[in-house]
Amino acid sequence: DAKTTQPNSMESNEEEPVHLPCNHSTISGTDYIHWYRQLPSQGPEYVIHGLTSNVNNRMASLAIAEDRKSSTLILHRATLRDAAVYYCILRDPLGTTSGTYKYIFGTGTRLKVLA
Amino acid sequence: SAVISQKPSRDICQRGTSLTIQCQVDSQVTMMFWYRQQPGQSLTLIATANQGSEATYESGFVIDKFPISRPNLTFSTLTVSNMSPEDSSIYLCSVELVERAAGETQYFGPGTRLLVL
Repeated sequence: DAKTTQPNSMESNEEEPVHLPCNHSTISGTDYIHWYRQLPSQGPEYVIHGLTSNVNNRMASLAIAEDRKSSTLILHRATLRDAAVYYCILRDPLGTTSGTYKYIFGTGTRLKVLA
Repeated sequence: SAVISQKPSRDICQRGTSLTIQCQVDSQVTMMFWYRQQPGQSLTLIATANQGSEATYESGFVIDKFPISRPNLTFSTLTVSNMSPEDSSIYLCSVELVERAAGETQYFGPGTRLLVL
């Protein structure tokens, strides 16, 4: 299974940018990099994903290294509601059935936002 | 997007019994996933359930312990059989949608909190 490595925890001050790193040195050429977050007592929710180019959406930005072996999720202005566990995930092919994938979650980074 | 409901939301069960968890989606989906999450831990994939085929189980999970049904494109069940206290966990189902703007996206249900005594 494809592996990702993230710091266990990070802290940020409210209203400041946050950079959450992820290493995925075993990534294959066709793997998309997905980010999800899990707020307390909720199921995970989608944040962003990308393949090679940097990506932006209303929630965050995703910066992908040129060699694709690492990526960084950027929250431009952290709020208290952004306190969550953030997971960086690579999709793995599901057996030999083409076009089907599974998502293997790593340990994630617990983000604490300080008021 | 997809709205996913799970039943029951929580349960307390006696060891040796079985519990069936239902997952209902408001749209037709091909891929459904079942995860387990123990307190303070990450999610562990139990199995992937495609409609019309047998579920694919991850290492450490077997069909006799966690039988899965996928009778149609909007529904799935996971049964936790012959339960022991070690099965106490949150069980989540999820689906994958291919969306025009976001591409492949997973949506999760609220989870079923199971306590086995």
